[in-house]
Amino acid sequence: KAGVTQTPRYLIKTRGQQVTLSCSPISGHRSVSWYQQTPGQGLQFLFEYFSETQRNKGNFPGRFSGRQFSNSRSEMNVSTLELGDSALYLCASMPGQGDSPLHFGNGTRLTVT
Amino acid sequence: GEDVEQSLFLSVREGDSSVINCTYTDSSSTYLYWYKQEPGAGLQLLTYIFSNMDMKQDQRLTVLLNKKDKHLSLRIADTQTGDSAIYFCAELRDTGGFKTIFGAGTRLFVKA
Repeated sequence: KAGVTQTPRYLIKTRGQQVTLSCSPISGHRSVSWYQQTPGQGLQFLFEYFSETQRNKGNFPGRFSGRQFSNSRSEMNVSTLELGDSALYLCASMPGQGDSPLHFGNGTRLTVT
Repeated sequence: GEDVEQSLFLSVREGDSSVINCTYTDSSSTYLYWYKQEPGAGLQLLTYIFSNMDMKQDQRLTVLLNKKDKHLSLRIADTQTGDSAIYFCAELRDTGGFKTIFGAGTRLFVKA
């Protein structure tokens, strides 16, 4: 079974731009979660989607948004990029039952200049 | 991470045992996980333990859970240089919806 796939692997953007990151979960997994990882803040939960609906949300500003498609693929969007948005963005999937471990992709490294 | 605490660094010699400790705060946690992150990669699930268990062994890995003290540990026997990585402790919380909360990670250095 293929693992969680995130594209692109690396991205460089300038302040004020917007960016879209993509995540394809493990086949059969219906839940997709997004995390931001930075050296200073560690792993911060952004949001979780299940069956195209946002089921959980972390404490991030409205510039961070996401969606999930009927095939469970998910996208994350960040608008009006700030320097502090530079981070590794990790996507994780699980079958759908909440009490399952998360399976992570290799992340998208976003650099904002 | 919020309320899951780990020490930041651990250094051991190759062949020794490593013990990485973690404390969590939510007594309603159902599962506790250990993940490993190597440079440039995502998090790899190493092992997990259900909250009604005290211990779980999986090859070189032993997980101990003290639910009374909310203390979790990961022991790696015969530590190898390939074990050098960041290890994250995580708890699954059921707060009306499930959410996985991560510690800040312990960076393990293995000296040859």
